Amino acid sequence: GAGVSQSPSNKVTEKGKDVELRCDPISGHTALYWYRQSLGQGLEFLIYFQGNSAPDKSGLPSDRFSAERTGGSVSTLTIQRTQQEDSAVYLCASSRGQNEQYFGPGTRLTVT
Amino acid sequence: GENVEQHPSTLSVQEGDSAVIKCTYSDSASNYFPWYKQELGKGPQLIIDIRSNVGEKKDQRIAVTLNKTAKHFSLHITETQPEDSAVYFCAASWAGNMLTFGGGTRLMVKP
Repeated sequence: GAGVSQSPSNKVTEKGKDVELRCDPISGHTALYWYRQSLGQGLEFLIYFQGNSAPDKSGLPSDRFSAERTGGSVSTLTIQRTQQEDSAVYLCASSRGQNEQYFGPGTRLTVT
Repeated sequence: GENVEQHPSTLSVQEGDSAVIKCTYSDSASNYFPWYKQELGKGPQLIIDIRSNVGEKKDQRIAVTLNKTAKHFSLHITETQPEDSAVYFCAASWAGNMLTFGGGTRLMVKP
């Protein structure tokens, strides 16, 4: 079946602009996670949605970062007023409840 | 919070040899330990996982062992092949929550 998909695959933006990154989880998966992968910080957790519960936002690095999940499916990660240190690969994963997490291919964000 | 340490950071082996990657974790509440393989330009791919009620799990050439007392777990790849070359990440979590990842191991299998 179809895996996790993310769009765009690459995004180049100017410092100070807002960006939106999209994630389509595997159909039927109730949990959705966003992670960030950068050279200096490795793979780090950002935010987690589980069903209709309030999201766990404990990994968001600043209030410029936000995410929503509409209808329990598609999720959008928004970064406002981008900074150069936001450059990274943003990865989305989904899982069926408390089971294995499956990752998408990621969005490579470059802030110039 | 959880902290996961992974060693070595790079590992070079000859084709056909075995490779072992080790991780330690800090939070005794963690009960789920997956391993991911990441190839260049792709997202991490789940290759094997183990839960805290099991000490060892094997899938063909790949095996994972878990020592809950010492809080460490290891990935074993036997009969390595060039296509095993990638970056491998260990991770730990509790009850389906977010994964905390190790720093990664770049495995190079020389033909």
